[in-house]
Amino acid sequence: GEDVEQSLFLSVREGDSSVINCTYTDSSSTYLYWYKQEPGAGLQLLTYIFSNMDMKQDQRLTVLLNKKDKHLSLRIADTQTGDSAIYFCAESGYNKLIFGAGTRLAVHP
Amino acid sequence: ETGVTQSPTHLIKTRGQQVTLRCSSQSGHNTVSWYQQALGQGPQFIFQYYREEENGRGNFPPRFSGLQFPNYSSELNVNALELDDSALYLCASSLDTGDGANVLTFGAGSRLTVL
Repeated sequence: GEDVEQSLFLSVREGDSSVINCTYTDSSSTYLYWYKQEPGAGLQLLTYIFSNMDMKQDQRLTVLLNKKDKHLSLRIADTQTGDSAIYFCAESGYNKLIFGAGTRLAVHP
Repeated sequence: ETGVTQSPTHLIKTRGQQVTLRCSSQSGHNTVSWYQQALGQGPQFIFQYYREEENGRGNFPPRFSGLQFPNYSSELNVNALELDDSALYLCASSLDTGDGANVLTFGAGSRLTVL
């Protein structure tokens, strides 16, 4: 079946690293995605990774993929208050994306 | 380059009514997808349109229907509204880049409340 799971909430101190985790079910997914949603806004693509890669780095963002365990993570280095948002991971399906329920990241001083 | 724009941003309807939501895709994008995001949930795929034809549909009843126009803009229509239809409706456009990545650009959404 199609099911993407994420922990619901993460709280970090400003300046620390944040790690948001996700598990997915479809081993045939070719791409996996991370989106960010701020209050009252749509989803903003942060990054995506091809399934034959283990890691992708883009400035403060690092994506790790463990295809054997179907586990995806997003690390945000030097987390800032502007990073407070809901983060969604998604796997690719036929002509669609399958999203998790989202992880709410709260950044405190 | 304009992004994806949706209208209206907010609306309130009553059970049994019908609603039409509109979406203008990002310039150059030829594919439009619609997603429903209930409160506290991730977006759920409703359907996708490509070249004015439905090109994939999620687990939504037939009272959810759509259109894509020659300029790639799109409409989502929902008939016989139910309370559970209250949600944020997100439109996303995309362009086949040839590498297989389904990179969606989302609009800010239309928030529908059904009373």
